[in-house]
Parts: sequence; structure tokens; C-alpha cells
Amino acid sequence: EPEVTQTPSHQVTQMGQEVILRCVPISNHLYFYWYRQILGQKVEFLVSFYNNEISEKSEIFDDQFSVERPDGSNFTLKIRSTKLEDSAMYFCASSEIQGFNTGELFFGEGSRLTVL
Amino acid sequence: GENVEQHPSTLSVQEGDSAVIKCTYSDSASNYFPWYKQELGKRPQLIIDIRSNVGEKKDQRIAVTLNKTAKHFSLHITETQPEDSAVYFCAASGVDSSYKLIFGSGTRLLVRP
Repeated sequence: EPEVTQTPSHQVTQMGQEVILRCVPISNHLYFYWYRQILGQKVEFLVSFYNNEISEKSEIFDDQFSVERPDGSNFTLKIRSTKLEDSAMYFCASSEIQGFNTGELFFGEGSRLTVL
Repeated sequence: GENVEQHPSTLSVQEGDSAVIKCTYSDSASNYFPWYKQELGKRPQLIIDIRSNVGEKKDQRIAVTLNKTAKHFSLHITETQPEDSAVYFCAASGVDSSYKLIFGSGTRLLVRP
């Protein structure tokens, strides 16, 4: 069964450092997403990406965040200058939209980011 | 924007009993309502979903009901088993340019053997 894969599984970084989280979505999916989950809290939407551009972003996704699809398979989330409150599990997800209907969202295993 | 409220935050049931988790949503344009199960340290996994053109869907011990007028939907788990213990999240999505999901705050279900 195809899966969304993410690397690294866990990254520890110092405050102010740049971090890049990588994802390989399912190959025939068209929509890509990043979600965040702070420990013990709900899953929060960060950004959606379609046709090589951001289609929507949340208030959390400020100027410190960026996304990129550098090639035909990878989808990356960059945090330019990490803050303590960026510590969370970051989930990549992808979906295959079916007409006008939202398709099932497939999540990766997550990348746990710890900012010290 | 869309807001999803979920209750209860914790639920403890005896093995074999039923569990019901309820969610309400704010955007009447929402048309897709999935439920995810998340075990500790794992990714959320879809267990059942429902679209706005149906009122109920069942898959073995799991069922979801949708009331579009009241804008609420519920997850029903019958004959609960200890392996059902996890955090359950409801979510809602509308037809817009991003098809994003907005999640509820989660329900921690504990099934006591």
C-alpha cells in the first residue's frame, strides 16, 4: 500500500536555527499539506499546496515558514529561524481530490521537532 | 473560518460497552467528515468518513451519523475492545481551494478490560 514518507523522524535543534522537514507524498496525489500537533493537543492545519503553489495557509504559517516542491517527488517545509514554540510533531499529508469532493487525507508518520 | 468542537475530551468505558463521541462544526458548506484514530506517538489513521449526501455510514463495529441541519456528527463504537483505546479526532472539510481539514480537539478513549 502506498504511503507518505517523512524524514527525519526526530530532529533536535537550537533556537534560531533553520530546519527543513522532508516528505514524499503518494505519487498520484495532487494536494499536499503540512499539519502540526503540539504534544497532547489537536492536529492543526499549516498549509496546503497544489499545482506548485500555496493554495491556503493558516495564521500559524507566518513568514518564518516556507514550503517547496523542489522536484517531482519531494515536498519540504522550512522553518527559517526556529522558536521554542515550534516544538511539535509535523505531519505531511497528501490527498487525491475526487471531483469537487475532498479526498481521504493520508498522513505520514510525522517528524518530531524539538527546539532547545 | 471553520471551527470544530468535540466532546467529551476523555471517555472511559468497560470492555463490551458502546462509546459515542460527538462533534459540531460551524461552516454549513463543509461536506466531508472523517474520523481519525491516533495511538500514542503514531500518525492519525482514518477509521471512517462520511459525506454530506448521506446521514449514516457503518463499518463493522464503527458507525458515523451526520445531522446537517444541526451541523453535528457522531462516532459510535460498539462492543468496545481494549485495542480501541486511543485518541479519536473528528474533522470537517469544505469545498474550497485547499480542501483542508479542520480537526476537533480529540477524545481520549480508554476501554477497561
